[in-house]
Order: sequence, then C-alpha cells, then structure tokens
Amino acid sequence: QVQLVQSGAEVKKPGASVKVSCKVSGYTLTELSMHWVRQAPGKGLEWMGGFDPEDGETIYAQKFQGRVTMTEDTSTDTAYMELSSLRSEDTAVYYCATDTFDYWGQGTLVTVSS
Amino acid sequence: SYELTQPSSVSVSPGQTARITCSGDVLAKKYARWFQQKPGQAPVLVIYKDSERPSGIPERFSGSSSGTTVTLTISGAQVEDEADYYCYSAADNRVFGGGTKLTVL
Repeated sequence: QVQLVQSGAEVKKPGASVKVSCKVSGYTLTELSMHWVRQAPGKGLEWMGGFDPEDGETIYAQKFQGRVTMTEDTSTDTAYMELSSLRSEDTAVYYCATDTFDYWGQGTLVTVSS
Repeated sequence: SYELTQPSSVSVSPGQTARITCSGDVLAKKYARWFQQKPGQAPVLVIYKDSERPSGIPERFSGSSSGTTVTLTISGAQVEDEADYYCYSAADNRVFGGGTKLTVL
C-alpha cells in the first residue's frame, strides 16, 4: 500500500518561492512516477506536471512552465515541487499523487499574501 | 482538444440514479478516470479505464464510454455520495474536467 505524506502549510509573500515535499512509503520512489495537482479555494483540480515513464522525463503543464520544478530524492523517497514567483492566484492546496492517481497525499495549503 | 467538459451540477433524490457526463475529443483515444472528492479531503479514484472499479468502491458506481463522452453512473445514489466528481484523461498533457457537484437530497 502506497502512502504519501506531504509537508505542512506554508504562508508566502508575493514574489517568493515555495517548496512542498511528498514522502513516499510502502514503495520506493523509483517504483513510482509522481505528479502534482493543485486546487484553488472553491475551484477544481488542476494538473501541474509530473514524471512521464514513457519518455523518461518530467513534463509540466504549459501554464506553469518556467515557474515550477519537480524533483526527487531517491535516497529518502521524497518528491518535491517548487513554485517560484508566487502570486495571490497561487493560493491553493497542492497535492502529490502517483501518475495513475490511485494514491494521493493529504494536500498542502500554500497561502500567498502580503 | 485537451479540454474535458462536465456539467457544473447534478441533483438527485436518494435512491435515484445519478449520471454525470464528461466530454472531450481526447476521450475517443484515451481512457478516462473518475474521482470523488468530499470537502476537505483528497480526491479518491472511483473508476479507471472508463468502466473499471477499484477494490473497495461500491458496486453502485459504474462507468461507460461512447465516442467522445464518458459517463459516471451512480445507481441508487446515497446521501454519502454527495461530493464533487472529476473526470480525467491522460493525453500528451494530463487534464481534469471542471468538476460536477452532485447533490443527493
């Protein structure tokens, strides 16, 4: 059984960066392909990007290209999502999930406010 | 197109059948998944490969596909099924539908 545990809530100022972590247990990160999805308050799910095992590379939604970086530390089975140049519209709950979206983290609330 | 279109809301009485549609060109070529999301919780997969049900999901949840439209059917909807439902498909880019709020009242 895969378990994904994310880091805690963050409050950031506009223009700053945030890095959210996602610790995997039950499997090793090398056995999984991780993706990130966000959900603004009262809004729907928005795919941000993730690892494509067919191409062997990380792909990003066009909307976030240049501003998001997804990395992995296989020594600690932890995936990371870093979003830079934050603006108020980035206030959302950020989820990590396996690439088939069978398993999700609990979500991390990122609040961007001056 | 990579857009998936869902109705914003569906309402049924307990025991009735709820049907939620999802339309998009990508669905003619790629499988769809459906997710249930209750307030304050992460989404839960309820249907994959258009019509397969993961273990632990009640049999009243089913899925079907026809051309560019997939449908989630909840037969005999219960009050606890009230939630937001999202379709999803994996084209070159992954995409979620806009979500449908199901009210069972």
